[in-house]
Amino acid sequence: ETGVTQSPTHLIKTRGQQVTLRCSSQSGHNTVSWYQQALGQGPQFIFQYYREEENGRGNFPPRFSGLQFPNYSSELNVNALELDDSALYLCASSPSGGAVDTQYFGPGTRLTVL
Amino acid sequence: QKEVEQDPGPLSVPEGAIVSLNCTYSNSAFQYFMWYRQYSRKGPELLMYTYSSGNKEDGRFTAQVDKSSKYISLFIRDSQPSDSATYLCAMSRRVDDKIIFGKGTRLHILP
Repeated sequence: ETGVTQSPTHLIKTRGQQVTLRCSSQSGHNTVSWYQQALGQGPQFIFQYYREEENGRGNFPPRFSGLQFPNYSSELNVNALELDDSALYLCASSPSGGAVDTQYFGPGTRLTVL
Repeated sequence: QKEVEQDPGPLSVPEGAIVSLNCTYSNSAFQYFMWYRQYSRKGPELLMYTYSSGNKEDGRFTAQVDKSSKYISLFIRDSQPSDSATYLCAMSRRVDDKIIFGKGTRLHILP
């Protein structure tokens, strides 16, 4: 098990609602990346936070936003939920800069949008 | 054309067999190549990491990268039922760049 934790484990929302997902990074890691994994698909990069600033973003609309706090934990916020937002949301933490060989994934939050 | 192509399977093999998993990609800028294992209801776990072309071995696992063919492979020797999982190939242009994943191949090792 990695030291990355995510909450909640599961979540059910309806279309149009807003959701906040949380991630606690592994000790000593100051970079957090968020990924969306739809059923039967590989994870897709949403964005990365490094020292409380967004440090790269994938092809996701602005209704996907995030925050990183001074303790390096992070939140993913999704507004105006759509059915296609149903997925497993993964966060990964890593030491400075987010090197690809040192990213550790959390167990994910499974979001269902009805 | 997707940047990374991976056959989703499922792939079923008997215990003890050699498993071959592979991916193709289209972006010649990729330099870092990874294989992740994902068990049901868990996050991906990094198995193998290779920079540029070549082979890398770690226990029963061997990763191969052929940049001229844009083709990467993962071999699992002496497969065990505990190897049953989804295997995701992934790649990146730079060490600190976003990771692009394949769809994943579901592998079943039959006892």
